[in-house]
Amino acid sequence: EAGVAQSPRYKIIEKRQSVAFWCNPISGHATLYWYQQILGQGPKLLIQFQNNGVVDDSQLPKDRFSAERLKGVDSTLKIQPAKLEDSAVYLCASSLVSGGSPDTQYFGPGTRLTVL
Amino acid sequence: AQSVAQPEDQVNVAEGNPLTVKCTYSVSGNPYLFWYVQYPNRGLQFLLKYITGDNLVKGSYGFEAEFNKSQTSFHLKKPSALVSDSALYFCAVRDGYNQGGKLIFGQGTELSVKP
Repeated sequence: EAGVAQSPRYKIIEKRQSVAFWCNPISGHATLYWYQQILGQGPKLLIQFQNNGVVDDSQLPKDRFSAERLKGVDSTLKIQPAKLEDSAVYLCASSLVSGGSPDTQYFGPGTRLTVL
Repeated sequence: AQSVAQPEDQVNVAEGNPLTVKCTYSVSGNPYLFWYVQYPNRGLQFLLKYITGDNLVKGSYGFEAEFNKSQTSFHLKKPSALVSDSALYFCAVRDGYNQGGKLIFGQGTELSVKP
């Protein structure tokens, strides 16, 4: 079974530029998550989708971050404009279901973003 | 509010010795607890989880974890460490009453196993 795919693996941009990350979850997984992992910290949830609907985006900085999952499969996360503090690894994860089920989340390899 | 604490930034163990990576948690309801491992430039790999039932949970690569409700702990253990176990370990919790799927992670513990 193929795992969660993410691209690009690495990205370096100047501050105030824009950037987009792509995620393809495990086939059949209805729930998709984007986490931000700053160096030396544990991952922090940015946004959670159930199919193509948003379940939780309470910690997404909506003035600069946006995400979509139009057909309930692939997802993109965008930052515009980027700030220095956005330098982090962006992890995508997926699980079969969410809600009341403590389903295991499976993570992709991540995209390491460096903002100069 | 939910939280997870991993009190040790780093754990050093000699190969062949038992290892323990500590985790304590705080949730408002019944906890769902997870351990993940992260190798350099890789994503998080799932090791094991506790949902309900037996307090001793067995997972991948010979790891196990013991759930202790009274001490609100979920320590990761392995009877005999390998050099290849050297990595960053994360404990995570999800509130059983939370209808979303958000995991709250600890800050991570760097495990170093020396030959």
